[in-house]
Amino acid sequence: GAVVSQHPSRVICKSGTSVKIECRSLDFQATTMFWYRQFPKQSLMLMATSNEGSKATYEQGVEKDKFLINHASLTLSTLTVTSAHPEDSSFYICSARRADRETEAFFGQGTRLTVV
Amino acid sequence: GQNIDQPTEMTATEGAIVQINCTYQTSGFNGLFWYQQHAGEAPTFLSYNVLDGLEEKGRFSSFLSRSKGYSYLLLKELQMKDSASYLCAVLDSNYQLIWGAGTKLIIKP
Repeated sequence: GAVVSQHPSRVICKSGTSVKIECRSLDFQATTMFWYRQFPKQSLMLMATSNEGSKATYEQGVEKDKFLINHASLTLSTLTVTSAHPEDSSFYICSARRADRETEAFFGQGTRLTVV
Repeated sequence: GQNIDQPTEMTATEGAIVQINCTYQTSGFNGLFWYQQHAGEAPTFLSYNVLDGLEEKGRFSSFLSRSKGYSYLLLKELQMKDSASYLCAVLDSNYQLIWGAGTKLIIKP
């Protein structure tokens, strides 16, 4: 099967600092990657969609200058939470789509971000 | 607008059967997914339906009726480890996943 690795799984940072989360497709090329945020007891909320080599498309209400997404290669996308605040504390999940299997989404393990 | 509805929480007994329903209204349809998500973990894939009917996979089955905008996930011979949230998601005409809020399933001994 297709494996997506997300790192780190847990991170605690101080308010005002930046945190980078990596999402890698290990055994396939991901033409599209999705970044989700999930608050406790809520469903996944799509933050942005990124295609390799182009700028990410952000969902309404998501600040692109705060949540920087880079999809520089077909196997790696990064999400950087800049100037983090306690309200950014959440579970962040990436998923990747293969060009030849558009109907499937493969998820990373998720990153639990706590901003103190 | 696009909408996915599923019950917030359900309780069932170990060894029993439970059916989790999902209704949807989306712009286009390219399939419906069910995912299982344990607390603090990412979702894991359970099933994918794109044609009407029942898909059986071990203890889990998923049903789809496109004309009714309706699906259900059927879990048989419930085990304690089945306690989790079950997420219904529809792939719309743009191949974007539209997520339901999830159904928290509580299994009691």
